[in-house]
Amino acid sequence: SQTIHQWPATLVQPVGSPLSLECTVEGTSNPNLYWYRQAAGRGLQLLFYSVGIGQISSEVPQNLSASRPQDRQFILSSKKLLLSDSGFYLCAWSTGGGEGYTFGSGTRLTVV
Amino acid sequence: DQQVKQNSPSLSVQEGRISILNCDYTNSMFDYFLWYKKYPAEGPTFLISISSIKDKNEDGRFTVFLNKSAKHLSLHIVPSQPGDSAVYFCAANSGTYKYIFGTGTRLKVLA
Repeated sequence: SQTIHQWPATLVQPVGSPLSLECTVEGTSNPNLYWYRQAAGRGLQLLFYSVGIGQISSEVPQNLSASRPQDRQFILSSKKLLLSDSGFYLCAWSTGGGEGYTFGSGTRLTVV
Repeated sequence: DQQVKQNSPSLSVQEGRISILNCDYTNSMFDYFLWYKKYPAEGPTFLISISSIKDKNEDGRFTVFLNKSAKHLSLHIVPSQPGDSAVYFCAANSGTYKYIFGTGTRLKVLA
């Protein structure tokens, strides 16, 4: 069966520090991968998606970047965090068949 | 531009009664819709879906209705249970790689 792992679960980082969140999927190959953010009191905002290794599409201009170094690995990064980067970050995967996503358990990021 | 809207940020319902969560969309190209349920500090979990070729889909206590002419869908939960207390997101897709999510409705089922 397919599983998705996302870590860490919580993270407190100072403003200006770098960020690296990792997501891996098991039990499937060539998944579509996604990074979403849920800011306080807001919905789920799509940040990045990837349909293959090295292929990244950015949905909104921001202080973050994403990379997909391996088929089932998706990384969210920042060189210098801002206070506004605080939120709940979710990784998700799909087969691309339109049936929806399977989400990871999320990372609560607090920038202080 | 918010293409998927959930205009009620919160809803309280008595246990055993019906919960109705609403979702409106603006893009007529959307042809597949999902509802997700999210508990605090957890990822959303898939609840139920509906294709644009249908106007209703049932799964146990959960029923989703789609009104294409009104660009409106709703999720009915009958009977509501305290464990249903969560944030519910609707999402829409137009055959692309990505789903557009609404802002969510927080449902509280009172015992």
